[in-house]
Amino acid sequence: SYDLTQPPSVSVSPGQTARITCSGDALPKKYAYWYQQKSGQAPVLVIFEDSKRPSGIPERFSGSSSGTMATLTITGAQVEDEADYYCYSTDSSDNRVFGGGTKLTVL
Amino acid sequence: EVQLVESGGGLVQPGGSLRLSCAASGFTFSDYWMSWVRQAPGKGLEWVANIKQDGSEKYYVDSVKGRFTISRDNAKNSLYLQMNSLRAEDTAVYYCARDRYSYGNNWFDPWGQGTLVTVSS
Repeated sequence: SYDLTQPPSVSVSPGQTARITCSGDALPKKYAYWYQQKSGQAPVLVIFEDSKRPSGIPERFSGSSSGTMATLTITGAQVEDEADYYCYSTDSSDNRVFGGGTKLTVL
Repeated sequence: EVQLVESGGGLVQPGGSLRLSCAASGFTFSDYWMSWVRQAPGKGLEWVANIKQDGSEKYYVDSVKGRFTISRDNAKNSLYLQMNSLRAEDTAVYYCARDRYSYGNNWFDPWGQGTLVTVSS
C-alpha cells in the first residue's frame, strides 16, 4: 500500500517559520494537499495542488513540492496555527491516502 | 455558503447497523462526487468511500467492502452511509466531504463537522 510519511511533531516559537514535510513515492507525479485540523474541529484545506492557497487562508501558509517530498511552510507562525496538519495525495492507481499527521506546537 | 451537516451517529453494539446522513447546501449537490472520511479517536484520517454524481459508481476502502454502502439522493441533497456488521475498529468520527477533481488529481473540500460512531458492548 502507498504511504505518505510526516514527522509526528514540529515545534516553533511564535513568529518563527514552521516547516512540515510529507514524503511519498508518487509525489513527483501527483499533487499534495494539506489540511489543518484544530482540536475538536473538522479538517480545513489550507493548500491544494502543491502550492495554491484557498481563499480565506492567510498568506503565511505556503506549499512546495520537489521530487518525493512536499512541504507546508508557515512563515511567522502564530499561536492560533497550533493544530494537526495532514498531507493528502493519491498513488498511480488513484488510491487515496493521508499522511499520519503532524502536531504543530507554537509556544 | 457551502455547508455539509452529518447526523445519525451514536453507540451501537458489535455486529449492529447504523445509517449516517449528510445534508448538503450552498452548492449544486448533483454536480459533485461525494466522500465519507473517518477518524478513529486520537488517530489520523482515512478515506472510507465515495460516490459519483448519479450514484452509478461507488468505491470503498478494503476494510469496509461488503459491510458499508454509500448512497445519495440528489432530490434531497443528501448523502448516506449504511454501515452493517459494525466492528470495534469502526469506532470513529465520520466526516462527509465534497470531492474535487482536477487534472487527474482529487481532494476533499469542504468537510462537514462530523458525527461520532462508537461500536461497543
